[in-house]
Amino acid sequence: EDQVTQSPEALRLQEGESSSLNCSYTVSGLRGLFWYRQDPGKGPEFLFTLYSAGEEKEKERLKATLTKKESFLHITAPKPEDSATYLCAVNTGGFKTIFGAGTRLFVKA
Amino acid sequence: DSGVTQTPKHLITATGQRVTLRCSPRSGDLSVYWYQQSLDQGLQFLIQYYNGEERAKGNILERFSAQQFPDLHSELNLSSLELGDSALYFCASSVDGASGADTQYFGPGTRLTVL
Repeated sequence: EDQVTQSPEALRLQEGESSSLNCSYTVSGLRGLFWYRQDPGKGPEFLFTLYSAGEEKEKERLKATLTKKESFLHITAPKPEDSATYLCAVNTGGFKTIFGAGTRLFVKA
Repeated sequence: DSGVTQTPKHLITATGQRVTLRCSPRSGDLSVYWYQQSLDQGLQFLIQYYNGEERAKGNILERFSAQQFPDLHSELNLSSLELGDSALYFCASSVDGASGADTQYFGPGTRLTVL
């Protein structure tokens, strides 16, 4: 069965303390892996799309990487405004998109 | 602002009732997706339409139905509502959706409360 697992469930960081979020997946055919940021009560905001192992993308303090079994979202020197839930999603060969449960990130000043 | 609009923002109704949620995709996008997000289940894919035709189906209940109109806006109809249907309902759109790997852009959501 297709599955997407994110870890940790929650992460508390001090401002400036870099860390990584993990998204591991077991799917029948990966067409794309997506990272989103979601603030409480709001719609997910697109961050990155990755299509093949070895691919990397960067945006400000965020960097996403992809291997054949997992993806990492690296956060460098986070700020309090980076606090949010980060969602990973994969699009499978059946044209269905599966979301992970998310990682809730808290950054303290 | 993603460019995807959803109405209404909030909806409060009673069990057994029927409601319609509306979504307008980004200009030029042909695919529309519907998701349900509840506290205990995260984001669940319901259904995808591509240029008016149903493309993929997820965990959509038989009490729920959707359609995409010629102007590409979409409606999600929820009937015989139960308490457990209370959730945030999101619409997303993408340029194509034919490959299945398009980036989806999400709207602000409709919060449905069933009393």
